[in-house]
Amino acid sequence: NAGVTQTPKFQVLKTGQSMTLQCAQDMNHNSMYWYRQDPGMGLRLIYYSASEGTTDKGEVPNGYNVSRLNKREFSLRLESAAPSQTSVYFCASSDRGGAREQFFGPGTRLTVL
Amino acid sequence: AQRVTQPEKLLSVFKGAPVELKCNYSYSGSPELFWYVQYSRQRLQLLLRHISRESIKGFTADLNKGETSFHLKKPFAQEEDSAMYYCALSGLVGNKLVFGAGTILRVKS
Repeated sequence: NAGVTQTPKFQVLKTGQSMTLQCAQDMNHNSMYWYRQDPGMGLRLIYYSASEGTTDKGEVPNGYNVSRLNKREFSLRLESAAPSQTSVYFCASSDRGGAREQFFGPGTRLTVL
Repeated sequence: AQRVTQPEKLLSVFKGAPVELKCNYSYSGSPELFWYVQYSRQRLQLLLRHISRESIKGFTADLNKGETSFHLKKPFAQEEDSAMYYCALSGLVGNKLVFGAGTILRVKS
């Protein structure tokens, strides 16, 4: 099993460009998450999907949109990238309910110039 | 509001010395606490959770509700323990996690 996979691994954008980060999991998990990791701030939740067909905002949703395409896939879109969105983005998944372990992808390092 | 505080950005210790990574939380409900670890060039992974009351790689953490703390401890640090450690809080709708800022542990030989 690959677990949680993310594409691309690295990306450089110019201000105003758009892009979609892809995430897929093969563990049959119900819940999926997108986080951003910034120095001194830890990981902050952008959006999450508790189950297929639902999405909800996290702590820092502004400037992002998500799509839960099916149970396996959860994408994150930046419609008009800004330098403040330079970060490392992590996707994660977990079973639903309780204190469930979240499984993380390898991350996407995004730089916005 | 839910909050996790890790006061130390960097903790540097010598091999064989005891380690304590501090974590304090703020949460009005019944918290579920975790420690996640990120080794160099590896993905973030669960180290331990309070509900399991287990010891992983020699690390333990006890939930102290009175002091709202969940400090991570190991009696004798090893060089392979060098990593970024995150304390995280759950118990929220959707199994969401709130992370602390993280502490870099460096174990020197």
